[in-house]
Amino acid sequence: LAKTTQPISMDSYEGQEVNITCSHNNIATNDYITWYQQFPSQGPRFIIQGYKTKVTNEVASLFIPADRKSSTLSLPRVSLSDTAVYYCLVDFNDMRFGAGTRLTVKP
Amino acid sequence: EPEVTQTPSHQVTQMGQEVILRCVPISNHLYFYWYRQILGQKVEFLVSFYNNEISEKSEIFDDQFSVERPDGSNFTLKIRSTKLEDSAMYFCASRWRRTSVDEQFFGPGTRLTVL
Repeated sequence: LAKTTQPISMDSYEGQEVNITCSHNNIATNDYITWYQQFPSQGPRFIIQGYKTKVTNEVASLFIPADRKSSTLSLPRVSLSDTAVYYCLVDFNDMRFGAGTRLTVKP
Repeated sequence: EPEVTQTPSHQVTQMGQEVILRCVPISNHLYFYWYRQILGQKVEFLVSFYNNEISEKSEIFDDQFSVERPDGSNFTLKIRSTKLEDSAMYFCASRWRRTSVDEQFFGPGTRLTVL
């Protein structure tokens, strides 16, 4: 099982760009990197997924270096509503969550 | 947009009682999951289910737990004799295929309180 390591918490201010990095040194060739967002008392929600280089959607960007041993979720111009826990997952066979990164956006 | 639904939203039970948590996955999905999340802690994998049998289960999923897909739409988690430490949010999720490229869709959860 590929294990992931993320910062436990991060603080930011409204309007700033937030970058959350995840380490996954043992990622397998067929693993994709997926990020989920979880608000209090809600189930996790898919944000973005990638295999290599850069992926962008309407919510975030995901940067993956050539060795794929890490990835960075980038949230542009965060707002208070982006306060949540963000999980990085790498899996082919299952979906086991790590502790995630608790992002707090302040006014 | 299709979604996973769960009932009830909140279940209160006495220690030692049996509870059944219900989920309706997205209709064309083939893989089903249960997770739990104790207040303030991470999301923990319990079990995955495919083709009417358990694919994987975690060490948490002991003999007190069972899952069933009794018909073409429902997916249930039964806890036979609840303990205080079973108090948590329980999330159901479903997925079309079991590959990395297919996201899991999570339900809103059932908050189980064991007294």
